[in-house]
Amino acid sequence: GAGVSQSPRYKVTKRGQDVALRCDPISGHVSLYWYRQALGQGPEFLTYFNYEAQQDKSGLPNDRFSAERPEGSISTLTIQRTEQRDSAMYRCASSPSQGYEQFFGPGTRLTVL
Amino acid sequence: QQQVKQSPQSLIVQKGGIPIINCAYENTAFDYFPWYQQFPGKGPALLIAIRPDVSEKKEGRFTISFNKSAKQFSLHIMDSQPGDSATYFCAAKAGFKTIFGAGTRLFVKA
Repeated sequence: GAGVSQSPRYKVTKRGQDVALRCDPISGHVSLYWYRQALGQGPEFLTYFNYEAQQDKSGLPNDRFSAERPEGSISTLTIQRTEQRDSAMYRCASSPSQGYEQFFGPGTRLTVL
Repeated sequence: QQQVKQSPQSLIVQKGGIPIINCAYENTAFDYFPWYQQFPGKGPALLIAIRPDVSEKKEGRFTISFNKSAKQFSLHIMDSQPGDSATYFCAAKAGFKTIFGAGTRLFVKA
């Protein structure tokens, strides 16, 4: 069956531009997570959704980062006024519910020039 | 308190060897300890996981050893194969939040 998909897979943008990263979770998965993974590091928690409710956004680095999941399925992570330090792999994961295994997507590699 | 420390950073073993990857944590609220395997260009995938009321768990060639009093856990890969070459992440979960270690790059020589 289809796994978690993310788009775009690669995004190159100029400093100061806004970007929107999309995550399409596995159908029926209630929980959705966003992570940022720097090269040579493990995924770093950004935010968590239970259905459409954003239950934790404590990992978002600053107010330029926001996420939504308006209908409890597809989610968008938006970074406004991008900076070079935002360059990283952004990964989405979904799970049937909070206590279950997380299934990761292939990620979006963001490069800010 | 949220950190999960993982070692070594990289590991090279011969085929058939038993690589061991170690992790330590501080937060006693963690109640689930998964290990993820990541191949280049792919997302992490769950390999094996353990809860703190168990001291050891085996699945195939993969074994987790868990020491609750020391707040340490480790992954052993028996009879390692070149196909096991990947990056391995330990993690610790409390509620919905999962904290990952920095990863260990394993290379198994044929």
